[in-house]
Amino acid sequence: DIVMTQSPDSLAVSLGERATFNCKSSQSVLYRSNNKNYLAWYQQKPGQPPKLIIYWASSRQSGVPDRFSGSGSGTDFTLTISSVQAEDVAVYYCQHYYETPPYTFGQGTKLEI
Amino acid sequence: QLQLQESGSGLVKPSETLSLTCTVTGGSISSGAYSWSWIRQTPGKGLEWIGYMYHNGPTLYNPSLKSRATILVDKSKNQFSLEVTSVTAADTAVYYCSRGPPGSGLFEYWGQGILVTVSS
Repeated sequence: DIVMTQSPDSLAVSLGERATFNCKSSQSVLYRSNNKNYLAWYQQKPGQPPKLIIYWASSRQSGVPDRFSGSGSGTDFTLTISSVQAEDVAVYYCQHYYETPPYTFGQGTKLEI
Repeated sequence: QLQLQESGSGLVKPSETLSLTCTVTGGSISSGAYSWSWIRQTPGKGLEWIGYMYHNGPTLYNPSLKSRATILVDKSKNQFSLEVTSVTAADTAVYYCSRGPPGSGLFEYWGQGILVTVSS
């Protein structure tokens, strides 16, 4: 199985500051035939299900504010919130959906203000 | 707007079978080629993909469940279901149903989740 490791476990930033989340996969999730990284990011607020915010490592899901951006390739990925808002407090998970399952998630990074 | 809603027993005894249903509204489970998944979440193990089914494709499961999970569809009711046999306390979790692109492990839409506790 591909192991997804996120860092840090928690992150405290001030309103308006940049927040950076890291995710590392134990093997590459880049599919060379289409040059796509099979990596997604989800946001989970307390008492709610996870919400897809980024797919293909850098494509924003419809309706997600443009302060959220994803980058990286192969095994190393980053989610960035350019200017953190109060409503961004949540746990953020990365997940691979590369080729054959099982699809696995990282352990999550908790964002606090 | 597509909505998914989990239902089923919130308390299951050890060694018995967990049974959950996901009701889909705002879209037909029969139309279009989507993947219909079950995912669970525990404080200890985090988010764990259980399995998915998709139109005209195989149903795939996470080997970690050791063949205890079964996903079925009832097109007449626009529902799909999950059964997990021989449950233990380790199966205590919030269970989510989800929809994603065909044959994909991407989870675009999620139900609100249902807490299932395994206890005597």
